[in-house]
Amino acid sequence: SAVISQKPSRDICQRGTSLTIQCQVDSQVTMMFWYRQQPGQSLTLIATANQGSEATYESGFVIDKFPISRPNLTFSTLTVSNMSPEDSSIYLCSVDSGRSYNEQFFGPGTRLTVL
Amino acid sequence: QKEVEQDPGPLSVPEGAIVSLNCTYSNSAFQYFMWYRQYSRKGPELLMYTYSSGNKEDGRFTAQVDKSSKYISLFIRDSQPSDSATYLCAMSRGGGNQFYFGTGTSLTVIP
Repeated sequence: SAVISQKPSRDICQRGTSLTIQCQVDSQVTMMFWYRQQPGQSLTLIATANQGSEATYESGFVIDKFPISRPNLTFSTLTVSNMSPEDSSIYLCSVDSGRSYNEQFFGPGTRLTVL
Repeated sequence: QKEVEQDPGPLSVPEGAIVSLNCTYSNSAFQYFMWYRQYSRKGPELLMYTYSSGNKEDGRFTAQVDKSSKYISLFIRDSQPSDSATYLCAMSRGGGNQFYFGTGTSLTVIP
C-alpha cells in the first residue's frame, strides 16, 4: 500500500485565520481525496482532487472555504479558510490503490482545533 | 435515513473472544464493501475489501456481505488486545464513486 504523510499532524489556530494541510504520497496516484472526521460522526468526503484538473467538491463544501491544489501525482494541499470553531476536526487525505478506485488508503490525519 | 448505519458501541470483550461487528445500509446500488481499523490518533487502515455478496477471509478476519439484507459483518477470531481500535465500515457503488462510511464501532479487547 502507498505510504502517505500529512503536515502538520496537529495545529491550534485562531478564528478567522487559514491553515494549509499538505499530503504527500510515496508513489504516483491518480486520485486523491480529502475527508473530514468529526467526533461521533462518519468520515465525510470534502472533495476529490485529480492532477491537472479542478477539484470536485461534495455537497456542503465550497472552493472558497476549502481550496485544494494538486500540482503533481504525489502531492496535494487542502486549505481551511477563515476558520471558525466549527472547523475543528480531523482532516484526512486518502489515495486510491492504483488497482481499484474502490480501494483507498488514508494518511495519518491532521488534528485541527480552532479557538 | 443515513446511507450507512453502524452501532458505535463501545464493545468490550475478553482476549480470545470472537467479535462480530456489523453495518446496515439503505442503498442497494452499493457493490464494494470495506472495513477499516483506526487506532487512536491514527488514520484509518484498510483491513478488508470485498465485492458484492459472500465471504472473504484473511487470517483472523472474515468479512461477510449479505446484499439481500443490506447487511455486512466483520468477524474477528481469537481477539487480541492489539485489536483494540475503532472499526469503520465503508461502501460505494464503484467506478470511483463516493465512499459512504459508518460512524465506527469502538472495540476494546481486555487481556
